[in-house]
Amino acid sequence: DTGVSQNPRHKITKRGQNVTFRCDPISEHNRLYWYRQTLGQGPEFLTYFQNEAQLEKSRLLSDRFSAERPKGSFSTLEIQRTEQGDSAMYLCASSLAGRRPFRRTDTQYFGPGTRLTVL
Amino acid sequence: AQSVTQLGSHVSVSEGALVLLRCNYSSSVPPYLFWYVQYPNQGLQLLLKYTTGATLVKGINGFEAEFKKSETSFHLTKPSAHMSDAAEYFCAVSLNFGNEKLTFGTGTRLTIIP
Repeated sequence: DTGVSQNPRHKITKRGQNVTFRCDPISEHNRLYWYRQTLGQGPEFLTYFQNEAQLEKSRLLSDRFSAERPKGSFSTLEIQRTEQGDSAMYLCASSLAGRRPFRRTDTQYFGPGTRLTVL
Repeated sequence: AQSVTQLGSHVSVSEGALVLLRCNYSSSVPPYLFWYVQYPNQGLQLLLKYTTGATLVKGINGFEAEFKKSETSFHLTKPSAHMSDAAEYFCAVSLNFGNEKLTFGTGTRLTIIP
């Protein structure tokens, strides 16, 4: 039984470069979430998908950020023209949502995260 | 909108002593409440959750938490601390409908003194 996986685990980049992270959720999970965690803070919600549809984006997600989940399985998070303020841990989580409105989602299971350092 | 306040960014307890980590929440509707633990350079692992029903919730590794609606609290306890409990602990809240995104507190770093 594999959990949520994220690649790469660490990424160091120079300011202005583009980076892309990948998240592979638990196989039967239809919901996928992205969170960002900066030093000394709790994770903050960025966006989430139900299958391949991106249903909500936080105001934290500027135009430089884009997320996709093309086939409803893995997801990618791309940051264009990185800034030093983008340095953070990017966490992915997945869950199984039942049919609404009778069932809410199951627990969110988190991956190990991708730590981004922008120099 | 919902929010979470964790009192005490750092807590130190002696090995074998009671662990008490405090969490208060604000929510306009009945919340779902969670405690997650994070070890260094790792993701978050669920300790326990409250959705409905019994207000005293038992989790993994001997932890438990009690939902107190009148106090808007969900404090985490463990009767006897172990060295392996040293980690960062996050309380989180979500609404019981919608996308169920989690809103986290700022975390409490637990140190165990030998």
